[in-house]
Amino acid sequence: QITLKESGPTLVKPTQTLTLTCTFSGFSLSTGGVGVGWIRQPPGKALEWLALIYWDDDKRYSPSLKSRLTITKDTSKYQVVLTMTNMDPVDTATYYCAHIVGASPFHYWGQGTLVTVSS
Amino acid sequence: DIQMTQSPSSVSASVGDRVTITCRASQGFSSWVAWYQQKPGKAPKLLIYATSSLQSGVPSRFSGSGSGTDFTLTISSLQPEDFATYYCQQAKSFPLTFGGGTKVEIK
Repeated sequence: QITLKESGPTLVKPTQTLTLTCTFSGFSLSTGGVGVGWIRQPPGKALEWLALIYWDDDKRYSPSLKSRLTITKDTSKYQVVLTMTNMDPVDTATYYCAHIVGASPFHYWGQGTLVTVSS
Repeated sequence: DIQMTQSPSSVSASVGDRVTITCRASQGFSSWVAWYQQKPGKAPKLLIYATSSLQSGVPSRFSGSGSGTDFTLTISSLQPEDFATYYCQQAKSFPLTFGGGTKVEIK
């Protein structure tokens, strides 16, 4: 059974760096083709893909946010970490991590974590 | 980037109605569209992948079709549990992109 869960701060101040951790089970990031992605959703708005890391450490980023994002994995800990620098109130959103295989869609999602950016 | 333009943004329908939601891609392709259902406060749930393949456990009243630039999600007979917001997503190329969503509301 594949599960994912996001963790991190619920409140960050403008200009701070956000660090989110996705802890997963039921699959390994050392298995060929497997990846974990991050998607966010501002309150009342649509989904936005942020970043993705594959089993072979191939990393992909949203072009509009690439300069602010870093995605890493710790295969032994079954974790993927997303950092986003220079947070702004417009980055207030629910952040999801999700499982992907190759070019498939996101079959399994975490429950999401709401991050509010406010001073 | 492939933009996914979803329509309508909202639709009011009754139980038993047939509902069709469309996504238009800014570039043509096939077999790389997925559809998700999202209920308030919950994560999206995958319904359809590879344009027309039904995810395991999803009722057969949901179906997907399309190719080129136009893709469709159809709910053949709307049920009370189907009132939700639906999103399309293209997996053809990076950056991955989602449509703007369609809220299916009770008429």
